[in-house]
Amino acid sequence: QVQESGPGLVKPSETLSLTCSVAGDSVGTMNHYWAWIRQSPGKGMEWIGSTRSDKSFFNPSLKSRVAISLDVSQNRVSLKLTSVTAAETGVYYCARHRYDFWGYYGMDVWGQGTTVTVSS
Amino acid sequence: SFEVTQSAAVSVSPGQTATITCSGNGLGLKYVSWYKQKSGQSPMLLIYKDDKRPSGIPERFSGSNSENTATLTISGTQAMDEAEYFCQVWDSTVPDVSFGGGTNLTVL
Repeated sequence: QVQESGPGLVKPSETLSLTCSVAGDSVGTMNHYWAWIRQSPGKGMEWIGSTRSDKSFFNPSLKSRVAISLDVSQNRVSLKLTSVTAAETGVYYCARHRYDFWGYYGMDVWGQGTTVTVSS
Repeated sequence: SFEVTQSAAVSVSPGQTATITCSGNGLGLKYVSWYKQKSGQSPMLLIYKDDKRPSGIPERFSGSNSENTATLTISGTQAMDEAEYFCQVWDSTVPDVSFGGGTNLTVL
């Protein structure tokens, strides 16, 4: 199970901070990556970035403003997105995915999503 | 990020076959996953690795990927299949994740 949480309202130019709490799996293992994805009416589904204990990779268009970290002791995944604009209003999801030498296995576990509004 | 274009809307009658496509240059060389999302819910994985179904996904959902087009086929479409469907592309060279714009499936 995956559960996102965080402020529902963020002011323009400020930093969006969200947390993904994970149950039934350990975020510290090498088995899976943990991703943040957002969905908005204007831009559809957009991948933000993914992380594992040994590696992270990000959407090139967001890379300069994104940080994703793991808290193994709390079994959580955190997202920070700086300098947000109103266009980044939407539903933010945390999801689990896996790839290895033999292929990519899709995002098989998703949280319910948390709605973030960027407005003054 | 990899550019992928998805058919905007598809309508079918109950019992018919629904075909949803995603296209992109060289898409057949990448892995495609498909997701179903009902209104107000989170996406659900239907197909991974182009044509593999996770456990619990009915056999009437199938996928293929060749050259520049990936296809999700729903055989014997049911009213419960009415939803938004997304393709997702995995580019292992970067690595990178891209989503299609979504296809709204209506079962008339």
